[in-house]
Amino acid sequence: EIVMTQSPVTLSVSPGERATLSCRASQSVSSNLAWYQQKPGQAPRLLIYGASTRATGIPDRFSGSGSGTEFTLTISSLQSEDFAIYYCQHYNNWPPWTFGQGTKVEIK
Amino acid sequence: QVQLVQSGAEVRKPGASVKVSCKASGYRFTTYAIHWVRQAPGQSLEWMGWMNPANGNTKYSQKFSDRVTITRDTSASTAYMELSSLTSEDTAVYYCARDRYTLPPNGFDYWGQGTLVTVSS
Repeated sequence: EIVMTQSPVTLSVSPGERATLSCRASQSVSSNLAWYQQKPGQAPRLLIYGASTRATGIPDRFSGSGSGTEFTLTISSLQSEDFAIYYCQHYNNWPPWTFGQGTKVEIK
Repeated sequence: QVQLVQSGAEVRKPGASVKVSCKASGYRFTTYAIHWVRQAPGQSLEWMGWMNPANGNTKYSQKFSDRVTITRDTSASTAYMELSSLTSEDTAVYYCARDRYTLPPNGFDYWGQGTLVTVSS
């Protein structure tokens, strides 16, 4: 089973600032990685797939990069609606297609 | 518009089973895979299983493979997830999610609203 490790656990950022979230896979997942945003009481929302492709309707302040074992989600200028928990997930080869433990982005 | 609407909250006693439904609308049900994901209170997301609605093929997480069954009714555009031998550790919100593809997976682009399953004696 591939283990996905996200850092930091919590990220305190002021509105308008940049946020950089990291995700590491225990073995290569190529570019088979997605990022999701989840707000309290809501289902997750797909932000990025293929490590760097924004899903439909996702603002361009969200960007993803990386391949292999190291991935980054960047939010260029945090808006109030961006404070949430972010999860990475691999979908490489065989299941289970595991999620990271999440990074909470909170208001500084 | 694409929607996945799940059945309502359930309460079960330890040892019982639960079956959650996920009705799809706004697209051809057999074209895209369906996954089931759960989230225990305050915890991360946990992938449980995958189904190709076109032929009923399934893949399960080894953690649940002896307790979970994913099925579908194509005439009703509905997927089902049944989990047996419940314990308190199965208390969680269960989500169905549509994949962007069938296989290989490519990101879960639409999610149901979630179904809270509470296991308590």
